[in-house]
Amino acid sequence: DTAVSQTPKYLVTQMGNDKSIKCEQNLGHDTMYWYKQDSKKFLKIMFSYNNKELIINETVPNRFSPKSPDKAHLNLHINSLELGDSAVYFCASSLGQASNTEAFFGQGTRLTVV
Amino acid sequence: AQSVTQLGSHVSVSEGALVLLRCNYSSSVPPYLFWYVQYPNQGLQLLLKYTSAATLVKGINGFEAEFKKSETSFHLTKPSAHMSDAAEYFCAVSLSGSARQLTFGSGTQLTVLP
Repeated sequence: DTAVSQTPKYLVTQMGNDKSIKCEQNLGHDTMYWYKQDSKKFLKIMFSYNNKELIINETVPNRFSPKSPDKAHLNLHINSLELGDSAVYFCASSLGQASNTEAFFGQGTRLTVV
Repeated sequence: AQSVTQLGSHVSVSEGALVLLRCNYSSSVPPYLFWYVQYPNQGLQLLLKYTSAATLVKGINGFEAEFKKSETSFHLTKPSAHMSDAAEYFCAVSLSGSARQLTFGSGTQLTVLP
């Protein structure tokens, strides 16, 4: 009964490949997010998405694209992977985006590009 | 602009001893402040949050944090450490309180010694 689940947990792939990370939440939330945790463990938001708007962090390369087949899923597609994309990617969700809402996080996907 | 600095990437305490994890923030407006915990192989879980209602905030598992505007600090404490407290702790700041605007610190790994 995991609230926010991501697959796969680990992903090792070669430069230039295209890969996807899946995220699903069973909390009935309407807003989902993708965060990137770099090698120094800093977490930075990449995208936030609900059924009305997609907000993209301007520093995210356009090789990254979120795709939401329905409210419970927000998958992350990455094209032409680069070494610098190696990181831990966290999915999260919340009910709305107001200040009194709590974000629930998945356990992360460790992506290694070789 | 907003930022968070966590002093000490690793903290070790003996079981039963006081836990003190330091967090200093920088924000142009009164911020919302959060502490998250990440247990091994799990996602981030909200411990507590400051929303200006009270300067001393109590969270789950016996943790609390005090907002000190004059020191721009939001240190996390627990009077008596338990082995189960061993985890990574992240301080975060948000101007609006929204998960979309969370800025995280680099984390502090807490080790509890028997």
